[in-house]
Parts: sequence; structure tokens; C-alpha cells
Amino acid sequence: QLVLTQSPSASASLGASVKLTCTLNRGHTTYAIRWHQQQPEKGPRFLMTLYRDGNYTKGDGVPDRFTGSSSGAERYLTVSGLLSEDEADYYCQSWATGLWVFGGGTRLTVL
Amino acid sequence: QVQLVESGGAVVQPGKSLTLSCTASGFNFSDFGMHWVRQAPGKGLEWLAVIWYDGSSKYYADSVRGRFSISKDDSKSMVYLEMSSLRVDDTATYFCARQLDYWGQGTLVTVSS
Repeated sequence: QLVLTQSPSASASLGASVKLTCTLNRGHTTYAIRWHQQQPEKGPRFLMTLYRDGNYTKGDGVPDRFTGSSSGAERYLTVSGLLSEDEADYYCQSWATGLWVFGGGTRLTVL
Repeated sequence: QVQLVESGGAVVQPGKSLTLSCTASGFNFSDFGMHWVRQAPGKGLEWLAVIWYDGSSKYYADSVRGRFSISKDDSKSMVYLEMSSLRVDDTATYFCARQLDYWGQGTLVTVSS
């Protein structure tokens, strides 16, 4: 069964960088994932599709400050030059035949 | 630009039924699969259902299979979620999404006696 694990929270200072992690469980470590951002009181926004080789394709209008990378079972989202508007919940998401799964989300606080 | 607007959220009693609608614009609706995802108050995202672009396949999460049904009307650029035997724990904001690359703003369903 496909499971995605995320740390519940992260924080970083305005202007700094932060790296969020999503871990795929055993048997699914080669899967691609997607990152989604959800600002307070808003619907989610698709950020990127991230592949096992670290390549990624971003959604429309996603700033260059958002980048992705991969290592083994881990998929990363790095946000550089943090702005106050980056304070949000970030969800990873993947899919297998007939099933789409979200991680529990990471709440990013910008200090 | 792509827009998705959900409607139909309401306060309903346990055991009752409700149908949610999602109106799409800004893209060729018949070319894309559509999803429903929900978010209980203060919780994370939960995937519920998907319908293939041509309606040929539908998949459901275990939590709603047999109670919820997804459908689409290409002539109206709309996707629906029919919900029956509603439970208190179905209380959530329900989002539609185009292939999970564009999302709506959600509609709130509250199940309460």
C-alpha cells in the first residue's frame, strides 16, 4: 500500500531557504510525486511533478524559488528566498493503479 | 484561464444524500480526468474519487466506495459527486480538481443532526 510520510511542521526565516521532505514507503520508492501548496483558507495549488531522477515539471506561474530534488525514497521541495506568502501547508501526493494518496502535509511557518 | 467552481455544499442530517457539482471553464473539459478530494476541519487532504476523461473508468477511496458516485457531463463541463448514507465524519470541505493540477476553492458539507 502506497504511503507518503511528511514531517508535520517546519520553519525558517524570511529570506532564507527551507527543504521539505516526502518519503515513499518500501515497494514504492521509484514513484513520482506531486507537491501542492495550500495557503490559509484557500484551495490547494499544484506546484510540481517530481520524478525519481530529480527532474521536475512545474505548474503554471510557479515561481523559480520553488525547486524539487530526489534521493532514493525521498522527494524534496526547496523554497528559496522565503516570503511571508510562502507560509502554508505543503502536501506531497502520488498515485498507483486506481489509488491516489496524499501525505499528511507539512505546515511551513515563515519567521 | 482554468477555473473550477464547486457548489452544492449544505448542512445535512446523517443518513441523508447530497450531490455536489463542479463547473469547469478555461480548458477542453472532455480531454481531462477529474478528481474529488476532501479536507475535514483542521485535517489534511483526502483523495476520494476520479473519473477518466472519457468516463470509461472510475475509482474510489475505500472510505467512500459504495456510498459516493462520481460522474461528468461534458456538454455542461461539469463533474458531480453524489453522496449517500452520509455520516458525521463526512463533514469536510470538498474540492474538485482537474487531474490534480488545477483545483477549485471548495464547498463545505456539514453532516449533523
